[in-house]
Parts: sequence; structure tokens; C-alpha cells
Amino acid sequence: QVQLAESGGGVVQPGSSLRLSCAASGFTFSTYSMHWVRQPPGKGLEWVAVMWFDGTKEYYTDSVKGRFSISRDKSKNTLYLQMDTLRVEDTAIYYCAKDMTILGASGAFDHWGQGTLVSVSS
Amino acid sequence: DIVMTQSPATLSVSPGERATLSCRASESVSSNLAWYQQKPGQGPRLLIHGASHRATGIPPRFSGSGSGTDFTLTISTLQSEDFAIYFCQQYNNWPLTWAFGQGTKVEI
Repeated sequence: QVQLAESGGGVVQPGSSLRLSCAASGFTFSTYSMHWVRQPPGKGLEWVAVMWFDGTKEYYTDSVKGRFSISRDKSKNTLYLQMDTLRVEDTAIYYCAKDMTILGASGAFDHWGQGTLVSVSS
Repeated sequence: DIVMTQSPATLSVSPGERATLSCRASESVSSNLAWYQQKPGQGPRLLIHGASHRATGIPPRFSGSGSGTDFTLTISTLQSEDFAIYFCQQYNNWPLTWAFGQGTKVEI
């Protein structure tokens, strides 16, 4: 079965960096686009970034452009999110999510991890 | 940007009753609408995609309808495990505005 396991969250100060990882299993990683979605504690969901199944395209929500970078390692079946210049408003649970469309990206997410908490505070 | 608005914010129902949740888009998203269920401490679970197609393993008591700007998620007979928060999400205007609604909490 599909499993997504995020790691790398923690408590950091504003301006710091973190790298999140998402280990994927149970499906052919190289054929699905992968996303990061975040959720501030007790609030709603916000899509953050997507990397195409073949690594050729990546897109970000406006608030993280220039600060966050998504990447994937097909040899390790792992998705990453490099987060630089973190702000207080980046505090959230970060989920990785699998796109439901093979060899494309529909923007609907059929599997999600349990999330990893990033807390940015001085 | 497309804004998704869900109503009500909280829905109080009894087990065995029917629950009807609404989601409205600020402009047409065709049928590119998904519903997710989220329980405390868990990641969301896809229930419905394409406005009306149940995801794999989702029981038939969950149904979705609508197109364009107005959508509905119906839970025909609420079970105890259905008490959760439900989010709608449009994926028509991608990739920059994959937007979620603010959620509806279904409580006992």
C-alpha cells in the first residue's frame, strides 16, 4: 500500500533553514507528481509546491517563491522541501501528498502523509 | 484567484442522520473539485474527485454532486467514524491556485 512518511520538522528561529523529507513507498515514485501542502495548527490547508513526476517542472505558491525549493531523488524514492529564510507565518504541519494522476499532475491528492511540524518562533 | 467557501462551518448531527455539506467557488471550476476528510492528528483522506467520483475504498454513503461553482458532499447515514473535518478543493485553475475551502466540522 502507498505510504508517505515526512521528517525533518522542528523548532527554528525566523531566518533559519530546514529541509523536509518525504519517504515514499508502495507505488512507482517516478511516475507520479508530488506535492507539499501545509496546515497552520488548527487552520485550513494551503498547497505549497509541486514537482512533476519526471522532475522537469516545479511550481510554488506565491508566499514561498524564492525561499522554498522542492526536489526529488528517484533513486531513494524521496521528496524534499528546502525551506530558507523561514518566517513566523511558515509555522504549520507540512504534508507531502501524491498526485492522483499518473504521468501528469491533476492537483488532486490521493494519498497523504501524517505530516511534520515546522515551528518558526523567536 | 479562485476562492472556495464552505458552509456551514460546523454541522451538528446525530449518528444515522444525513449530512449535507456545501462548497462554492468564486468562479467556475468545471468538475475539478475534490473532497477530503481529516481526523485529528491525521493527514487528509481523499473522498471524492471529479466532483462526484468516489476515491478507492470510500464507502457508498459518501456522494458528491455539482459542477461549475456549486458543489455538495452528502453523507447519507452518518457513522461514528465520519465525525471529522471536511475540506473541498478546486484543481481547475492550476498550478498556482489549487485552493482549499476553510473546512466544515461535522460533530455529534
